[in-house]
Amino acid sequence: KAGVTQTPRYLIKTRGQQVTLSCSPISGHRSVSWYQQTPGQGLQFLFEYFSETQRNKGNFPGRFSGRQFSNSRSEMNVSTLELGDSALYLCASSSMAGGDTQYFGPGTRLTVL
Amino acid sequence: AQSVTQLGSHVSVSEGALVLLRCNYSSSVPPYLFWYVQYPNQGLQLLLKYTTGATLVKGINGFEAEFKKSETSFHLTKPSAHMSDAAEYFCAVSGSGGYQKVTFGTGTKLQVIP
Repeated sequence: KAGVTQTPRYLIKTRGQQVTLSCSPISGHRSVSWYQQTPGQGLQFLFEYFSETQRNKGNFPGRFSGRQFSNSRSEMNVSTLELGDSALYLCASSSMAGGDTQYFGPGTRLTVL
Repeated sequence: AQSVTQLGSHVSVSEGALVLLRCNYSSSVPPYLFWYVQYPNQGLQLLLKYTTGATLVKGINGFEAEFKKSETSFHLTKPSAHMSDAAEYFCAVSGSGGYQKVTFGTGTKLQVIP
C-alpha cells in the first residue's frame, strides 16, 4: 500500500498570504489528522477529520481550517499567514477515528517570510 | 483530559549501552499508549503501541516498552543502542474507544555516542 502523501513538500509564502496544504491518506483510511511541529512548541494537534466530519479540534485560531473530501483526501488552509506559522505540517491517517495507530506523511515545510 | 510528560528533552548514550526514554501519562479513561520515532526531515513512524492485554510491548528495531498502570508510565527501552537509533522519540496517549484525540509528548532527542 502506498503511504501517506503530502503536497507540496516545501512552500515559501509571505505574511498576509494564504496557503493550502494537501494530504492523501493510505487507501482505506477514513481518518486524517493534522499537526503543526515547531522547535519551540513541539507537535501540536490541529484537527482530525473522519468521514468528512471534523471530530476533534486543537487550540488554534480560526485562520487554520481544514476539510475532508469523500475520497478521504484532506486539505488544510491557513489564511493571513504570520511569521509564527512557519513550521512543519504533518498529516496522519488511520483506519479509525482517534485512538488508533496513526501513519504519518513526510510533512510540508512552510516558511513564512 | 489527557497529557503526556517526557522526562529529558535530550538523552545521550554510548553505542552498545542501554537506552531508556521516560514517559508518564495521565488519562481519565483507560489509555492507548504509543511510541513514535522521527528521523530528520521525515514524518513520525510507529515504534510500538499498547492497547490492552500484555503490558510488555515489543516493537520494531529492538525497542520495547512496559505499561505500568500504578506508575502511569510507559518507558521505552532498548538493551543496546545503535548509531542508527539517533532520532527524536515521541510518546503519545489516547483514550480507548472511538473519536479520542491523540496527545503527543514534547519529544526526546536521542544522541548515540560512538
